[in-house]
Amino acid sequence: DAGITQSPRHKVTETGTPVTLRCHQTENHRYMYWYRQDPGHGLRLIHYSYGVKDTDKGEVSDGYSVSRSKTEDFLLTLESATSSQTSVYFCAISEGQNYGYTFGSGTRLTVV
Amino acid sequence: AQSVTQLDSQVPVFEEAPVELRCNYSSSVSVYLFWYVQYPNQGLQLLLKYLSGSTLVKGINGFEAEFNKSQTSFHLRKPSVHISDTAEYFCAVSDLQGSRLTFGEGTQLTVNP
Repeated sequence: DAGITQSPRHKVTETGTPVTLRCHQTENHRYMYWYRQDPGHGLRLIHYSYGVKDTDKGEVSDGYSVSRSKTEDFLLTLESATSSQTSVYFCAISEGQNYGYTFGSGTRLTVV
Repeated sequence: AQSVTQLDSQVPVFEEAPVELRCNYSSSVSVYLFWYVQYPNQGLQLLLKYLSGSTLVKGINGFEAEFNKSQTSFHLRKPSVHISDTAEYFCAVSDLQGSRLTFGEGTQLTVNP
């Protein structure tokens, strides 16, 4: 979607290295989310943000941290990547719950 | 907390046949319900949503879903599918005050010629 971009689109990294994924929006939406998608698990929420500097944990937050220093950017950091964090990561934005989400195109992360 | 169960992980159908993708949810409070579609190597797109009012909701690409509160279900239907409908479909739920969606595990719809 034109209003939300994720970078990088693909990344291969080594176990134990830090990794940061970026989500950028141009819609000025309040809510931003990070999900991971794995076969057989659907999408699972990692962290979300309800405003600048306001974040909360999702159901699979261990090993991940986030930051939102401005409305348009939401960063996901893997402090020390592990093979279990190999996944496709999706960012989403929303004006509010009854509007649904707009998703980015995803980042495919491989930890070797 | 809410949860979602998509009853079929894979649904193969022939082109122009009708299809139903089943979704049940669990919640102790009133909910909003959503269906999303994911085409290969893409993000998810909103198909339709139920917020309130009529229990039959129409979405894009000829899909519709019916909210059944007594059966806690929100099944997705299309009367005649096309090859281009081949994709993975996700059901999702949130409570009325919540700021996040809970997704089901997805149903892979494959439309064969």
